Amino acid sequence: SQQGEEDPQALSIQEGENATMNCSYKTSINNLQWYRQNSGRGLVHLILIRSNEREKHSGRLRVTLDTSKKSSSLLITASRAADTASYFCATDQDYTGGFKTIFGAGTRLFVKA
Amino acid sequence: EPEVTQTPSHQVTQMGQEVILRCVPISNHLYFYWYRQILGQKVEFLVSFYNNEISEKSEIFDDQFSVERPDGSNFTLKIRSTKLEDSAMYFCASSEGQWNTGELFFGEGSRLTVL
Repeated sequence: SQQGEEDPQALSIQEGENATMNCSYKTSINNLQWYRQNSGRGLVHLILIRSNEREKHSGRLRVTLDTSKKSSSLLITASRAADTASYFCATDQDYTGGFKTIFGAGTRLFVKA
Repeated sequence: EPEVTQTPSHQVTQMGQEVILRCVPISNHLYFYWYRQILGQKVEFLVSFYNNEISEKSEIFDDQFSVERPDGSNFTLKIRSTKLEDSAMYFCASSEGQWNTGELFFGEGSRLTVL
C-alpha cells in the first residue's frame, strides 16, 4: 500500500505568505517525519512527530498529526524565497522484522519573491 | 558536522554493465539505507541494512541488486546488469537508531544514467 501521499502536488505562493502541505497515509505508524529536498540535492530532515503527539513546532514550521484521520500537515509561516523546494512526508510502518521509512510523492513549493 | 558522502556524483553506463555506488555513512550510525528517485518522482525505498545483513527490501530490490559493507566505513549498492529503467538518482542514508527513533541523514545522491 502507498504511504504518505502529499497534497497539493504543487503550491505557488508569495513571499511572506504561509504554506500548508498535507500528507495522508494508510496504515498505523509510529512516527511521521517531514523532509525537504532542494532541486537535485539530498533530502534534509525537518521535523519528526510521534504517533502520540498532536502538534510540534520548530522555528517557522508547525506540524500536526491526526492519527484518527491518518493525516498530517506541515505549515511554513512567513515563507521566504529560500523555502522553495520539494517537501516530503515519510512514515515508518509498524510491523515486525525489518524496518523502513516510506516517502510520499512530495509537494513542490515555489515561493515568489 | 558529520555527513553522509556518496560517490560518484554522476555515472553514465551502458545497458547490461555492472555499477557500484558507494556511500560512507556517518561514523557512529548503525542503520543504512538505499533509496532511489527517478527524475521528478517519489523517493522509493530499496533496502535497509543493519548488523551486516539486509533488514528489509522492497520489490524493486530484485536479484540484480546487492548491498555490502565491505569494511568499517563503506556501504555499497551494486547493480549487476543495468537496465534503462535503472536510470535514477540513488540516495544513501544512515541513522543512529532504529527507524522509530529518529531521522535519516541523506547523502547528496549518485545520478545513474543508463544508455
